[in-house]
Amino acid sequence: GQSLEQPSEVTAVEGAIVQINCTYQTSGFYGLSWYQQHDGGAPTFLSYNGLDGLEETGRFSSFLSRSDSYGYLLLQELQMKDSASYFCAVTPRNNYGQNFVFGPGTRLSVLP
Amino acid sequence: KAGVTQTPRYLIKTRGQQVTLSCSPISGHRSVSWYQQTPGQGLQFLFEYFSETQRNKGNFPGRFSGRQFSNSRSEMNVSTLELGDSALYLCASSPSETSGRAYEQYFGPGTRLTVT
Repeated sequence: GQSLEQPSEVTAVEGAIVQINCTYQTSGFYGLSWYQQHDGGAPTFLSYNGLDGLEETGRFSSFLSRSDSYGYLLLQELQMKDSASYFCAVTPRNNYGQNFVFGPGTRLSVLP
Repeated sequence: KAGVTQTPRYLIKTRGQQVTLSCSPISGHRSVSWYQQTPGQGLQFLFEYFSETQRNKGNFPGRFSGRQFSNSRSEMNVSTLELGDSALYLCASSPSETSGRAYEQYFGPGTRLTVT
């Protein structure tokens, strides 16, 4: 089976940098995705790592290391609007099509 | 492009009843997935449809079913509702595999189902 672990909560101040980790146990997957969800809102796609290494999208970067079964989302120049829950997700390799397994989510609180 | 739409947004049902939720994907997206989100269990995959065929199914009882129409719109049905079915039900659509972005899921606002 597949399972992902994330810290339940992270707190940081405006302007700072924060890293949200995701560790996983899975027999194989296509890639690691990250989603952001504000309270009362729908998850929105942030980033995807199909290969090991760093992917950068504006203030957000995501990293994957398959050998370490580990990935992270890095948020720079934090803003108040970044306060939200962040989920990592994988698509198991033994499935055809879309079958995302989501982590439990990390609630990020950005303080002024 | 219009986003993923879901109807209704809120629903209150009684135990034992059944419910049908609807989802219209982004135009051109043929893959539609359904998720159940609860505070205790997080986001859990229900099933995925592509070209009117169910390609994947999560670990939910047979009371949960779905279908997809030729225009890619999808419905999910929950029969014999239980209190534990109270949740936010999210629908997501994805671009085709040929686009190279099949890993991107675009979520609708969800249907908040309350079972009393």
